[in-house]
Amino acid sequence: AQTVTQSQPEMSVQEAETVTLSCTYDTSESDYYLFWYKQPPSRQMILVIRQEAYKQQNATENRFSVNFQKAAKSFSLKISDSQLGDAAMYFCAYRVIYTGTASKLTFGTGTRLQVTL
Amino acid sequence: DGGITQSPKYLFRKEGQNVTLSCEQNLNHDAMYWYRQDPGQGLRLIYYSQIVNDFQKGDIAEGYSVSREKKESFPLTVTSAQKNPTAFYLCASSTTRARGPDGAFFGQGTRLTVV
Repeated sequence: AQTVTQSQPEMSVQEAETVTLSCTYDTSESDYYLFWYKQPPSRQMILVIRQEAYKQQNATENRFSVNFQKAAKSFSLKISDSQLGDAAMYFCAYRVIYTGTASKLTFGTGTRLQVTL
Repeated sequence: DGGITQSPKYLFRKEGQNVTLSCEQNLNHDAMYWYRQDPGQGLRLIYYSQIVNDFQKGDIAEGYSVSREKKESFPLTVTSAQKNPTAFYLCASSTTRARGPDGAFFGQGTRLTVV
């Protein structure tokens, strides 16, 4: 079974600084997606960034980037120039790629990010 | 605008009663999912459906039931057999294409409290 581990229950960063959230996963599959979701106090799940396992290039979305290490099964999220609006729970998620079927997401336990002035 | 609508936002239930959470999507997605969120445990999959009139159990299906009579709708019933139903419930949908553009779209959730 696939598992996703986020070992940092809470992190804190000063505004404008950079922070990295860690995620490791376990799978025997070779083709899959990895995601980072943000859940602000409204509790709406928002997709931040995704990575396809077959792509060696790390994904970036504005101030958000990932460090994907497939051999190490590691998928960390880097937030640059942190803003107060980045304060939220962040979930790492995994899904295997199957054609024509529902692709269930497996989530980590989350990291609560605080942004301070 | 396309999206997923969950209702109600807050729900209170007396012990021993069944309660149904609504989830509707207009994204034309084939697949729909129900997740439960508890503090410190992330999101756990309850049930999912790939197509109308078909659904499968997730990791924590005991005490729950679902139906999928329409593509747009995937209601979740929390039965009296669920021992600890107080939680935040999230509905999601996705395509069944292997390389879809997003993991899943989520509704805004329903907070269920047993009183």
